[in-house]
Amino acid sequence: QKEVEQNSGPLSVPEGAIASLNCTYSDRVSQSFFWYRQYSGKSPELIMSIYSNGDKEDGRFTAQLNKASQYVSLLIRDSQPSDSATYLCAAGSFGNEKLTFGTGTRLTIIP
Amino acid sequence: GAVVSQHPSRVICKSGTSVKIECRSLDFQATTMFWYRQFPKQSLMLMATSNEGSKATYEQGVEKDKFLINHASLTLSTLTVTSAHPEDSSFYICSALGTAVAGYTFGSGTRLTVV
Repeated sequence: QKEVEQNSGPLSVPEGAIASLNCTYSDRVSQSFFWYRQYSGKSPELIMSIYSNGDKEDGRFTAQLNKASQYVSLLIRDSQPSDSATYLCAAGSFGNEKLTFGTGTRLTIIP
Repeated sequence: GAVVSQHPSRVICKSGTSVKIECRSLDFQATTMFWYRQFPKQSLMLMATSNEGSKATYEQGVEKDKFLINHASLTLSTLTVTSAHPEDSSFYICSALGTAVAGYTFGSGTRLTVV
């Protein structure tokens, strides 16, 4: 069974610091990886997608993928209180449209 | 960017009645739509996958006769919760995947409360 594992947290980070969120996946054929942010009572919104090994940067966000270790991470630089949310990691395989979601990590940015 | 509209955002219904939730892709054609359910403080649970013009594929443990999914066009999918019971109270979210858009776009979700 495909699994995506995340530390549920809560993870508390001071404002302005770097928040590091981690995710591991069990299915070696997974090819696409996504980080979603979900505020309480709202639906998820896409933050980053990554498909190749290495780093991908978008503003204050950096996604890192290591397929050998089956590990995906999300770094948030200069953390803001508005970054406080639950972050969901998801993995998908080419040829299979379904995404497998982790349980999410609750992040709290402390002013 | 890609937008998925989901209605209603919130609905309260009596036990035993049916509720229909609509999910529309506004600016792209959604070849595949996904329906999720999320209980408080839990992650998204995929209920079913629907492709335009064909029957939905339900995940194990999801009753297809209770959760009716229709994907009649490339821009509209509906989920009908039939004979709703209090245990069906949850946050239902649709997600759409199109050929011309990258990634999966989520609707805003529907908070269903069955009393």
